[in-house]
Amino acid sequence: QKEVEQDPGPLSVPEGAIVSLNCTYSNSAFQYFMWYRQYSRKGPELLMYTYSSGNKEDGRFTAQVDKSSKYISLFIRDSQPSDSATYLCAMKNQTGANNLFFGTGTRLTVIP
Amino acid sequence: DTGVSQDPRHKITKRGQNVTFRCDPISEHNRLYWYRQTLGQGPEFLTYFQNEAQLEKSRLLSDRFSAERPKGSFSTLEIQRTEQGDSAMYLCASSLAAGLAGAFGPGTRLTVL
Repeated sequence: QKEVEQDPGPLSVPEGAIVSLNCTYSNSAFQYFMWYRQYSRKGPELLMYTYSSGNKEDGRFTAQVDKSSKYISLFIRDSQPSDSATYLCAMKNQTGANNLFFGTGTRLTVIP
Repeated sequence: DTGVSQDPRHKITKRGQNVTFRCDPISEHNRLYWYRQTLGQGPEFLTYFQNEAQLEKSRLLSDRFSAERPKGSFSTLEIQRTEQGDSAMYLCASSLAAGLAGAFGPGTRLTVL
């Protein structure tokens, strides 16, 4: 079993829709949770970062962490064609930890 | 400084050849990471440097792989006697000592024929 599970999709939505992306994990030591966006043939770019449980909002993006269920989500409101990319969740267990554990990524297409 | 840069962006080589990739991190970042990403998968951690010291290596980093970061600035990743299974995107990331997520470069895509 992988430490981080993510549905690879693909996921297609119409422009303006609310998108929900999710990951589950098995390691209860994970405390830091991140979402990256990766365009085709590019490196990942950090979108959101949260510590422990709770919600964090940044513009059209909201990240949620439920440590009791080992479940994290990224919501995208008013989705745009420019949001079309692969979204990767990642997590680590402490501030000093050096490696991130990534999900496989979910490929999202927003249709104009 | 526009971010992490990597060179080359693409490399095609024949099985058994040696290849070397370069990463130039964000100048003030003292931590540097190498990850490998295969098609349809998330990045997997390979190794980590703090300044010039290589402090952590993944089990994925076989003895054919070697990484260096002389003078704590740019880093190189060398793969000796390449195998077809080495075909992947090799990503470099950097961060400040207190940083958590790092900034990724565009990657070097390696194809081993």
